Amino acid sequence: QKEVEQNSGPLSVPEGAIASLNCTYSDRGSQSFFWYRQYSGKSPELIMFIYSNGDKEDGRFTAQLNKASQYVSLLIRDSQPSDSATYLCAVTGGSYIPTFGRGTSLIVHP
Amino acid sequence: ETGVTQTPRHLVMGMTNKKSLKCEQHLGHNAMYWYKQSAKKPLELMFVYSLEERVENNSVPSRFSPECPNSSHLFLHLHTLQPEDSALYLCASSQALSSGRGEQYFGPGTRLTVT
Repeated sequence: QKEVEQNSGPLSVPEGAIASLNCTYSDRGSQSFFWYRQYSGKSPELIMFIYSNGDKEDGRFTAQLNKASQYVSLLIRDSQPSDSATYLCAVTGGSYIPTFGRGTSLIVHP
Repeated sequence: ETGVTQTPRHLVMGMTNKKSLKCEQHLGHNAMYWYKQSAKKPLELMFVYSLEERVENNSVPSRFSPECPNSSHLFLHLHTLQPEDSALYLCASSQALSSGRGEQYFGPGTRLTVT
């Protein structure tokens, strides 16, 4: 059974701080890794994807992948109240069908 | 229209009704997905189509019946539903599974209430 684990939170950070969201996965053959943001009552929105070990930066977001340790993280710099949402980690393996984690709730307070 | 659209956005139906949810993607993708998301629960994958062939069916009750007539359209036919089927039903699309590009783009969802 392929599993993707996330701390459900909530993770609470002050405005302007760095929010660090973590995700671990069980399938060592996993190949692609995604982060989605989901506001309450809305559908998930893709914000980052990463395929190779290391860091990938896009604006205030950085995805970090460590395949040896089987974790992927998302850093949000200069967090804003508008970043308050649930962040979903998704991982694909040989079947290319994503497995989603349960999501981490992030609260950015002014 | 851009992205992934879903209709209707809200649906209330009785347990004896038959209705259909529609999804359309304008992204040139070849894989489409149905997910169910109940309140405070994680996403549940229901069905996956790639290149118009069903490749995944996650033990979904037969009262849910998918249809994918072409790579741009996906339907979910509903009949004799139960109150516990009330949820947000999400459609997503991606490049064909064989491409290895798993980035999914979601529609806005259909909020279904079964009375």
